[in-house]
Amino acid sequence: EVQLVESGGGLVQPGGSLRLSCAPSGLTVSINYMSWVRQAPGKGLEWVSVIYSGGRTYYADSVKGRFTISRDNSKNTWHLQMNSLRVEDTAVYYCASGISGSYGYWGQGTLVTVSS
Amino acid sequence: YVLTQPPSVSVAPGKTARITCGGNNIGSKSVHWYQQKPGQAPVLVIYHDSDRPSGIPERFSGSNSGNTATLTISWVEAGDEADYYCQVWDSSSDHLVFGGGTKLTVL
Repeated sequence: EVQLVESGGGLVQPGGSLRLSCAPSGLTVSINYMSWVRQAPGKGLEWVSVIYSGGRTYYADSVKGRFTISRDNSKNTWHLQMNSLRVEDTAVYYCASGISGSYGYWGQGTLVTVSS
Repeated sequence: YVLTQPPSVSVAPGKTARITCGGNNIGSKSVHWYQQKPGQAPVLVIYHDSDRPSGIPERFSGSNSGNTATLTISWVEAGDEADYYCQVWDSSSDHLVFGGGTKLTVL
């Protein structure tokens, strides 16, 4: 069974930075894309960013220019570098992957709290 | 690209629940559906409009045509109570889009 494990969440002040990580375990298929999806308290799912195996990246308008998605091939780990954090970035962040555009693999989520 | 879902749907046990997802010409896109229970990560229940991942009961089915995609849950059980989200990839903006979510209540 494929599992994705996130880490790196925590409390940060507005304007600060945080780097989230996502590592798969039990993987028997290649990961062709990895997205970050967030969920603010009591709200719905919001897509943040995606990276494809070829290196293409895309971002939601709300984070473009502040967040950077990347992959460390040597460690088979994906990252989300979050800079210039705002209070409205407070959410549980999930990494997710799957097949043919769907997301059948999700991490357990990591909480990011932006507050002074 | 905007996906519109009803905020809530209520259904009695044993009945059929239908959750809609509206979008401009959504029938031309591939729609995926997720179930999320409180405190848990989302679970894929339907992909590519109507396919079921392994382990998802046959009670869950999907359809997609015109401007509306529909998730149908037959013989609803108490354990189906959850939030449900539709999702597409919008190639015109290169953005992944989720619907606002529908809270399914089993009466």
